[in-house]
Amino acid sequence: AQSVTQLGSHVSVSEGALVLLRCNYSSSVPPYLFWYVQYPNQGLQLLLKYTSAATLVKGINGFEAEFKKSETSFHLTKPSAHMSDAAEYFCAVSETGTASKLTFGTGTRLQVTL
Amino acid sequence: GAGVSQSPRYKVAKRGQDVALRCDPISGHVSLFWYQQALGQGPEFLTYFQNEAQLDKSGLPSDRFFAERPEGSVSTLKIQRTQQEDSAVYLCASSSPPGSPLHFGNGTRLTVT
Repeated sequence: AQSVTQLGSHVSVSEGALVLLRCNYSSSVPPYLFWYVQYPNQGLQLLLKYTSAATLVKGINGFEAEFKKSETSFHLTKPSAHMSDAAEYFCAVSETGTASKLTFGTGTRLQVTL
Repeated sequence: GAGVSQSPRYKVAKRGQDVALRCDPISGHVSLFWYQQALGQGPEFLTYFQNEAQLDKSGLPSDRFFAERPEGSVSTLKIQRTQQEDSAVYLCASSSPPGSPLHFGNGTRLTVT
């Protein structure tokens, strides 16, 4: 069975500060990993995905994530937070690579303060 | 269309009523998915269609939940005899070709009173 754990349901950073959102996965096969962002009252938007091509994955809006097999982690980072980054972020895993049956974490709400 | 469209955006139902939630995927998208997102939780998989074929319905929580996509485009998620625990946001997503990243709609927020 596959699963993801997001550490910290709420993260608050100052504008311009580093953003670090944590995700650890559990999978019996090499996983496909995703980060999605959800703005209030909207659907989910794909930020980036890992499909084994490269361990450091760059996504939209300046976000990136690094796949670390030894730590079973796929943490999301952004060097400098912007007010518009405030949203809910979800890590997800798929064993098939088809992105069909995604298993999501419980989400991390990012707050950005002045 | 430009994106995945879901209707209604909000639905309030009394316990025991039947509801029908509609999803218009992006034109030409072969794959269509339904997810359920309870308050404060991540989305949970309900069911998956490839064209009109329902290939996976393992996530449907009970036989009160039924989904269809008769012509391989628009899909309807039906919930019979709604219960309070059915209150959630129901998200539809589509993709094409199969295996491509999902495009999500804005969801339907169902509240059962």
